[in-house]
Amino acid sequence: GQQVMQIPQYQHVQEGEDFTTYCNSSTTLSNIQWYKQRPGGHPVFLIQLVKSGEVKKQKRLTFQFGEAKKNSSLHITATQTTDVGTYFCADGSSNTGKLIFGQGTTLQVKP
Amino acid sequence: SQTIHQWPATLVQPVGSPLSLECTVEGTSNPNLYWYRQAAGRGLQLLFYSIGIDQISSEVPQNLSASRPQDRQFILSSKKLLLSDSGFYLCAWSDPRRRGNTIYFGEGSWLTVV
Repeated sequence: GQQVMQIPQYQHVQEGEDFTTYCNSSTTLSNIQWYKQRPGGHPVFLIQLVKSGEVKKQKRLTFQFGEAKKNSSLHITATQTTDVGTYFCADGSSNTGKLIFGQGTTLQVKP
Repeated sequence: SQTIHQWPATLVQPVGSPLSLECTVEGTSNPNLYWYRQAAGRGLQLLFYSIGIDQISSEVPQNLSASRPQDRQFILSSKKLLLSDSGFYLCAWSDPRRRGNTIYFGEGSWLTVV
């Protein structure tokens, strides 16, 4: 079945360093979404990207959608301890209402 | 605004006992409803999704079942729990009238089977 591959699985950074997680699909995506799950919490929707080459920013977070709409990235500039958690990308292309999640990248930030 | 409620928040159940997790959505109608499971430190596994009453799709064959007795109510059940059923269960909803299938999760239910 259709899969969305996400790397890396884990990332440990020093506070203030940058962080990037990548999401790749073998098929063209109509849209890609990003979610954040804090430790012990539930995933929370961050953003949706729809257009080829689209770039969106939320404060220190930058989201990109590839030109071919097969990959996406989330970049965090100058990480803070509040950024700790697991970041999931998700393929929202299905017309049946299903959302296909990547495996997630767990970010640890050392103060 | 829309809200999603899920309960219980935590439960410890012995092997072989039944399970019932409930979820309701408020502030919308005809939502898509989902049950996900997340093992400790792992990703999100879609268990069931429903696009309407009596329209439930199972993604992973196992000893769990789902029912949708009302438009905005989704129930996850098991007749006999296994140790491997332990995990974090998340109910979620989406608005089928919106493009993109953005979903919104409940707070989750921590299940420990002992």
